[in-house]
Amino acid sequence: RKEVEQDPGPFNVPEGATVAFNCTYSNSASQSFFWYRQDCRKEPKLLMSVYSSGNEDGRFTAQLNRASQYISLLIRDSKLSDSATYLCVVRTSGSARQLTFGSGTQLTVLP
Amino acid sequence: GAVVSQHPSRVICKSGTSVKIECRSLDFQATTMFWYRQFPKQSLMLMATSNEGSKATYEQGVEKDKFLINHASLTLSTLTVTSAHPEDSSFYICSASDGGKLDGYTFGSGTRLTVV
Repeated sequence: RKEVEQDPGPFNVPEGATVAFNCTYSNSASQSFFWYRQDCRKEPKLLMSVYSSGNEDGRFTAQLNRASQYISLLIRDSKLSDSATYLCVVRTSGSARQLTFGSGTQLTVLP
Repeated sequence: GAVVSQHPSRVICKSGTSVKIECRSLDFQATTMFWYRQFPKQSLMLMATSNEGSKATYEQGVEKDKFLINHASLTLSTLTVTSAHPEDSSFYICSASDGGKLDGYTFGSGTRLTVV
């Protein structure tokens, strides 16, 4: 079983739609959670951290359920510029402090 | 914000030659550098973790003699792909951590390696 699992998509949605991505992680010792965005042939860029209480940044809302080991990202009023691959990322505490990436969910927002 | 400069962005080399990729942290001290590889339509896979002044820790299945990592200073880490083969063609990305001061990690812009 992969440490971080995501629905690969692709998700094709019209402009203005609301779209939700889900992610599950297997390591209960995971401490920090992030959503990254990766455009084609570019490096990943941090979209937002995910906190237990849930957090919102403009049109983006992230939720974390530690009991279910489940993370979500909701994008409201989607724009053409939101088209990208969204990576669910988990960091486990300890000396390594390394990130584990999900395989990504591809989103295309259509005009 | 924190910036990691990665060079070259794109390189084409012949089979059997070696290629060096550099990552520099420009405005912070990178105590730890992570090197990833990403094949088309796949996610980033961690290759190795390096701490300044010590030997890198390689992930299972990554040959340390083929992928040489040097992290001699707090602002520079290099990855050398030795005796490159076509199957080494991939997108290589570095990521730096300052030991916990930053939220998330800062990524270099990546190097697209093509071995012909």
